[in-house]
Amino acid sequence: QVQLVESGGGVVQPGGSLRLSCAASGFTFSDYGMHWVRQAPGKGLEWLAFIEYDGNNVYYADSVKGRVTISRDNSKSTLSLQMNSLRPEDSAVYYCAKDRGWIPPRSFDYWGQGTLVTVSS
Amino acid sequence: QSVLTQPPSVSAAPGQKVTISCSGSTSNIGDNYVSWYQQLPGTAPKLLIYENDKRPSGIPDRFSGSKSGTSATLGIAGLQTGDEADYYCGTWDSSLSAGGSWVFGGGTKLTVL
Repeated sequence: QVQLVESGGGVVQPGGSLRLSCAASGFTFSDYGMHWVRQAPGKGLEWLAFIEYDGNNVYYADSVKGRVTISRDNSKSTLSLQMNSLRPEDSAVYYCAKDRGWIPPRSFDYWGQGTLVTVSS
Repeated sequence: QSVLTQPPSVSAAPGQKVTISCSGSTSNIGDNYVSWYQQLPGTAPKLLIYENDKRPSGIPDRFSGSKSGTSATLGIAGLQTGDEADYYCGTWDSSLSAGGSWVFGGGTKLTVL
């Protein structure tokens, strides 16, 4: 069965950096695009980034462009999100999600359980 | 302010039917497939409807989706208390200014009275 397990969340000071990871299993990781989505406490879903199956094309939300980098290691079935210059408003649960496999993306068919990031001094 | 507009909340009695609307524009809903997600309290979102009107395996046919022009609708029939959740629509936005990005609606909280 498909499993997505995020890790790397925690408490970080404003201006700091954090690298989130998502370990994927149960499907051929290299065949599918992947997304990062976050949800601030009590708020809705906010899409952050998408990376195509081979990593050749990436897309970012304007709200995080220039501060985050999405990447993948298909040999390790791992998705990553490098986040820099973190702000208190970046505090949220961060989810990785598997795309159903189309370009442009059409839907997210599996989600991880999320990892909590808190930006606070 | 979300690119896709959903009502903040809807409610209905058990056994009734409810619809949740999702309004967008030609660059997103008008030009791309819509999907819907259910988020039960304290859990990760789950895919409910994909490609406007298709249900993944395991999703009961009480859940339905449709799209017309720049709007989409999620229907939930035979409401159960277990359907109380937040529901989100989403789609790709092909607008040149965005360079391509995914957009979600603001979410709709369903209360089963």
